[in-house]
Amino acid sequence: DTEVTQTPKHLVMGMTNKKSLKCEQHMGHRAMYWYKQKAKKPPELMFVYSYEKLSINESVPSRFSPECPNSSLLNLHLHALQPEDSALYLCASSHSPGNRGAGEKLFFGSGTQLSVL
Amino acid sequence: LAKTTQPISMDSYEGQEVNITCSHNNIATNDYITWYQQFPSQGPRFIIQGYKTKVTNEVASLFIPADRKSSTLSLPRVSLSDTAVYYCLVGDKAAGNKLTFGGGTRVLVKP
Repeated sequence: DTEVTQTPKHLVMGMTNKKSLKCEQHMGHRAMYWYKQKAKKPPELMFVYSYEKLSINESVPSRFSPECPNSSLLNLHLHALQPEDSALYLCASSHSPGNRGAGEKLFFGSGTQLSVL
Repeated sequence: LAKTTQPISMDSYEGQEVNITCSHNNIATNDYITWYQQFPSQGPRFIIQGYKTKVTNEVASLFIPADRKSSTLSLPRVSLSDTAVYYCLVGDKAAGNKLTFGGGTRVLVKP
């Protein structure tokens, strides 16, 4: 199984809503990532989890709250978002953070297309 | 973190070879160079990765000169289905797995 599964595929929410994005992988990867991608732009790193611990937070606003319940799951909790937060949210995983002697190969899910009204 | 620069777009025709060059002037000693392909409304997909010289797999080749300040992704005999955005990514694990994409090159393959 070489897939990263993201749900839901599409999400429309109001600025007062609370919602969660979910990501799952069963490849035994110990690093998981959240990226945000606006139209016609490259993915921008938001968070990195290594061995279920948050290792990188790219100064993301607190209305985005990541969670890694176990090594296979990654959530992104959303609250009080703004219309400018509308984007494709991508989850990725890689084998082993800090694996010397080999570059990281990221496996991406298909993303959640989020619209904030 | 090494900063990458890629051409914004390239046009080609079916059956031709496409070469996309990425500049990464301040690449660190430990940085690997990775290329991804992305179709609309999908996540990026790994194409190829290298550290130096030449790497070839079933879909592409990656050429890296001795100074490693640039790299070239070569797609042989492209087809219409190769129309996509291609990203160069240079990552440094010493920076804590901070993997950041370059601007991407939009490749359009015409019939």
